[in-house]
Amino acid sequence: DVKVTQSSRYLVKRTGEKVFLECVQDMDHENMFWYRQDPGLGLRLIYFSYDVKMKEKGDIPEGYSVSREKKERFSLILESASTNQTSMYLCASSFRRGGFNEQFFGPGTRLTVL
Amino acid sequence: GENVEQHPSTLSVQEGDSAVIKCTYSDSASNYFPWYKQELGKRPQLIIDIRSNVGEKKDQRIAVTLNKTAKHFSLHITETQPEDSAVYFCAADSGGSNYKLTFGKGTLLTVNP
Repeated sequence: DVKVTQSSRYLVKRTGEKVFLECVQDMDHENMFWYRQDPGLGLRLIYFSYDVKMKEKGDIPEGYSVSREKKERFSLILESASTNQTSMYLCASSFRRGGFNEQFFGPGTRLTVL
Repeated sequence: GENVEQHPSTLSVQEGDSAVIKCTYSDSASNYFPWYKQELGKRPQLIIDIRSNVGEKKDQRIAVTLNKTAKHFSLHITETQPEDSAVYFCAADSGGSNYKLTFGKGTLLTVNP
């Protein structure tokens, strides 16, 4: 069974704080993704990584950065949290080889920025 | 980049009826079209997918059809049951990148007993 875990289910932070969200997968997947999910807007890609130390911007990277120092771990960083970053954050992973690969999602982190 | 439109945003059916959700995409190079189901409070999970060399795929009560010429694909659920109630997302890969997906905004399906 693929397991994708996220460091917190719920997080409350204050405006201006630096926030770290961590994702770990145990299936040796090359690709990892960070999405945010907002009502009526679906899943929007923030950043993704196809290899260690590699990253690419998604559709809404502003205000975020990422880090991938190990294959199994992908971190999302909010350098200075703002109230408009209050959202559900979902991590996902997939194999790269073979093409057209299923993305497996983590349980999500609901972040509230006050 | 890829743009995926999904309709309707909400759908309510009676148990036993069929439900159809439709999506259109913009990138003619897209080749992979998965559908994810997200139950309340849970993570999205893949329920069915289709590749560009196939026009239709079925798995028990769910089926997906793809029309590459018109750039649209649809999810069909027959004999709906209350446990089918969830948010459904369609997605399309980004042409040359076969692992990056663009998702539709989702359809909230409610099956009334």
